[in-house]
Amino acid sequence: DVVLTQTPPTLSATIGQSVSISCRSSQSLLHSNGNTYLHWLLQRPGQSPQLLIYSVSRLESGVPNRFSGSGSGTDFTLKISGVEAEDLGVYYCVQGTHAPWTFGGGTKLELK
Amino acid sequence: EVQLVETGGGLVQPGKSLKLTCATSGFTFSNAWMDWVRQSPEKQLEWVAQIKDKSNNYATYYAESVKGRFTISRDDSKSSVYLQMNSLKEEDTAIYYCTYILWGWGQGVMVTVSS
Repeated sequence: DVVLTQTPPTLSATIGQSVSISCRSSQSLLHSNGNTYLHWLLQRPGQSPQLLIYSVSRLESGVPNRFSGSGSGTDFTLKISGVEAEDLGVYYCVQGTHAPWTFGGGTKLELK
Repeated sequence: EVQLVETGGGLVQPGKSLKLTCATSGFTFSNAWMDWVRQSPEKQLEWVAQIKDKSNNYATYYAESVKGRFTISRDDSKSSVYLQMNSLKEEDTAIYYCTYILWGWGQGVMVTVSS
């Protein structure tokens, strides 16, 4: 199975600070159809995960544009440009290029 | 509005069985590929099983960790998906979520396997 490694495991930020989370894959996530199925989820405290970004860089409906995703092949990044209080929680990358889906270990974003 | 509601969790002894139900609304269930994902007490997410739609012959797929013990099924007339869990092990202890292509998630249901 594909292994996704997220760093850092914990991120402390102040409101308004910009932060980045890295997700590295054990193999290329470029599908033979030309798409890259690397997505980002946010799980707020006490809630279910929710889809933030799909296919590397496409924002799910309703997600603020302070969130952005980038990357290709095996290296991907989620950036938050100006953290807000509602952004706190655990971020997970997940890949759907190679069966089965696999998830990163998560990055907990907390207030400094 | 997309809704997924899981029920059926609880405390069960090792070796016993449990059946989870996920009732859905707000999208065309009959065309949907549905999955179960679980989250361990250490918060690690793990894909468990998938069932495709009728046009794909309701094909099913399982994680190696549950293959032969868990069975995913669906009832399109009830817009519901199920997870029958047999021969449960302590390492199956987790919150179980049903999800529609990672876009819609249920609130999760806790399954605790312990003697």
